[in-house]
This record gives sequence, structure tokens and C-alpha cells, in this order.
Amino acid sequence: SYALTQPPSVSVSPGQTASITCSGEGLGDKYASWYQQKPGQSPLLVIYQDIKRPSGIPERFSGSNSGNTATLTISGTQAMDEADYYCQASDNGVVFGGGTKLTVL
Amino acid sequence: QVQLVQSGAEMKMPGSSVKVSCEVSGGSFSNYAFSWVRQAPGQGLEWIGGIIPILDTSNFAQTFQGRVTITADRSTSTAYMELSSLRSEDTAVYYCARGSLEGNWIFSLWGRGSLVTVSS
Repeated sequence: SYALTQPPSVSVSPGQTASITCSGEGLGDKYASWYQQKPGQSPLLVIYQDIKRPSGIPERFSGSNSGNTATLTISGTQAMDEADYYCQASDNGVVFGGGTKLTVL
Repeated sequence: QVQLVQSGAEMKMPGSSVKVSCEVSGGSFSNYAFSWVRQAPGQGLEWIGGIIPILDTSNFAQTFQGRVTITADRSTSTAYMELSSLRSEDTAVYYCARGSLEGNWIFSLWGRGSLVTVSS
């Protein structure tokens, strides 16, 4: 079955750029979405169709997808961006990556 | 404002079934797909399956084939997920998620989750 792999954790200093990767066979041929989840909250869509931002999501969130890797980039990371991030793609159903804990310190 | 209102927490015995509901409040129901996603304590997100009410078609993750039923009642704007033969590993928060106009499996709206605890 199809699988998406994310690093368990990423750390970034406030104001710097955070990059979270998501790897899967031929992922670049599919659309990737990204979700942010803070403790005790439901997931929130932050990127869809590789590069699009839903209304209300800050411009500092951006995405890319090529080859076998999709990347979520957060520019000028803020303390409020500390959360778990999940990538997601569709392949005969829906698949989520294992999640990446982003720490802002 | 559109909301997905889910049913409350459930405590179930191993081997039993649970049925969780998700009502759309303040918005359209039939034009969207609905999925169920679960999250075990301290774990990641796991897609269970989804339904497109207007087509009355559903599909499921291989892991749950034969054990899950997903239905939709257009008259009450409510989607349901029933999971049978419960075991302790099914203890999780079960989320309802609505697809978007850009894609059935782009989850732009989520419910608050329903905690299901399986324990003897």
C-alpha cells in the first residue's frame, strides 16, 4: 500500500524558515495537502493541491511538490506555528504521512 | 458559519460496535464528500473511509474493509460511521472531515472529534 514518510521532528528559531518534507513513490504525480494540528484541536488545512493556500492561511505558508517529495515551507516562523504537521495524498484512497512535530525555539 | 457537529464520547466493550454521527450545520450537505479520520492517543491521522452523498458511493481504507460502514442521510444532513468488532486498538478520537469543491479528499472542514474508548 502507498506510504508517505515525514521526519518525526523539525526545529526552527523564531523568524527563520522551516521546511518539512514528505516522501512517497511518485508523489510529484499526485496532489499533496498539508494540515496543521495543535494540541487538543482538530486538524487545519494549510496547503492543498501542492501550492494553494485556503482563505485565512498566512502567506508565510507555502508548498511545493516534485519527484518523490512534497515540501511545506514556513517563512518567518512564529511561535504560534508550533504544531504537528501532516501531509496527505490520494492513491486509491487517502493516505496521511506520520506527522512532523515542529518546535519553534 | 458551516460546522460539523459530531456525536459525543462513547465507551464500548471489546467485540461490540459503535456508530458516530456528523451533522452539517449551516451549510450544504449533498454537494460534498465526507470522510472519517481517526487519531489514536499520541498517534497520527489515519483515514478510515469516505462517502459522496449525492452519488451514494463510499470507499474505505484496506485496513477497515469489512468492519466499517459509512452512510449518509441527506434528509438530516448527517453522515455516519459504524465500526464493528471493536478492539482496544480502536480507542481513538474519530473525526468527520468534509471535502472541498476543489476535491473530495481535500479536507477543508473538520468536526471536533468523537472520543471512542474500547475497554472491558
